[in-house]
Amino acid sequence: ILNVEQSPQSLHVQEGDSTNFTCSFPSSNFYALHWYRWETAKSPEALFVMTLNGDEKKKGRISATLNTKEGYSYLYIKGSQPEDSATYLCARGGGADGLTFGKGTHLIIQP
Amino acid sequence: EPEVTQTPSHQVTQMGQEVILRCVPISNHLYFYWYRQILGQKVEFLVSFYNNEISEKSEIFDDQFSVERPDGSNFTLKIRSTKLEDSAMYFCASKGTSGRLEQFFGPGTRLTVL
Repeated sequence: ILNVEQSPQSLHVQEGDSTNFTCSFPSSNFYALHWYRWETAKSPEALFVMTLNGDEKKKGRISATLNTKEGYSYLYIKGSQPEDSATYLCARGGGADGLTFGKGTHLIIQP
Repeated sequence: EPEVTQTPSHQVTQMGQEVILRCVPISNHLYFYWYRQILGQKVEFLVSFYNNEISEKSEIFDDQFSVERPDGSNFTLKIRSTKLEDSAMYFCASKGTSGRLEQFFGPGTRLTVL
């Protein structure tokens, strides 16, 4: 994998259902993996930064896992709510260097 | 809660004109970044800035682009002679000390080049 790839590109989920989506990235020279939540006309909001293989982070109903050996991260949302509707971006990199972003997963929660 | 701010929110300019996009990073942050997103494409890194100099820049950041931190609070991106393909959303981000990894983003400036 040369780039950061996210799947699916978009996702419609019924309110109350749980969902997850994937970020794949080059596993060589890994530094950190970032997840952002981005609503239109607002600033992308930092959700998680993970650095170690096997890392798991949680914020309320949202959690993320990291596998640096095989180069993937999952983001999980439990019991989706309408306010979870947003684009979820993952990005590789950090420190003084810039981040390399995926194209995002556009999540729509249907009432 | 401190946040990164950007002005203007939308800038329309004619091809060949110079534009300056402005950002006020979070006050005690040390690392500053510009990114852009062309409609329908990925967010792309342009440049990072630390200790009053460029740390890293991407291939996109050619001689038409420059960055400056003219005072203790502002961080600017200048495009000398805009092209149609410079139309994009431009995001500023800042980061605290080297031990902190999160980059905090502003809401972006939408640049439209006609």
